[in-house]
Amino acid sequence: GAVVSQHPSRVICKSGTSVKIECRSLDFQATTMFWYRQFPKQSLMLMATSNEGSKATYEQGVEKDKFLINHASLTLSTLTVTSAHPEDSSFYICSARPPGLAYNEQFFGPGTRLTVL
Amino acid sequence: DAKTTQPNSMESNEEEPVHLPCNHSTISGTDYIHWYRQLPSQGPEYVIHGLTSNVNNRMASLAIAEDRKSSTLILHRATLRDAAVYYCILRDWDDKIIFGKGTRLHILP
Repeated sequence: GAVVSQHPSRVICKSGTSVKIECRSLDFQATTMFWYRQFPKQSLMLMATSNEGSKATYEQGVEKDKFLINHASLTLSTLTVTSAHPEDSSFYICSARPPGLAYNEQFFGPGTRLTVL
Repeated sequence: DAKTTQPNSMESNEEEPVHLPCNHSTISGTDYIHWYRQLPSQGPEYVIHGLTSNVNNRMASLAIAEDRKSSTLILHRATLRDAAVYYCILRDWDDKIIFGKGTRLHILP
């Protein structure tokens, strides 16, 4: 199947700093990518839909100025957590869908574990 | 969003079949039934999906009730590597995948 990668796999930062997470589709082009957040023992929560060449669409309750999304190419989307605080510590996961029918499978990255001290 | 209901957790013995149920009584005619699973500390992975007919692939089988208000994911011979959280998800033309709480499957050696 198609492969989605994330970098870094884990990051530790100090409170107040910004952290950038990359999501790449390695063997297909993705006009749409998705970003999720998962707290321990909880399910994945959709944060935003990243659209290549246009602004991201954020889910209700997600601060767009705090979680900056850039989908500059058909294989790369980035999520920047600005002025991170300990409550932003979480497992961030991206996904992408190869071109085709909307209800076909999506491929998920391995996740990025963010720890804010 | 159309909702699904799954048991919080299930147990099964290794090398035995596992039947994971999902209720989706408010499913619409255009909703596809998808199953994903998430192994510990990993991103989710696709398992199977279907619309009306039962489906088989190398990972599992999906049995869909005739009225489509429920479905069952079948793992024919569970191994320890199948221990994961299994998510039953309804998807329409919209790209978004919204995860519920899923079923945590424990495999006993």
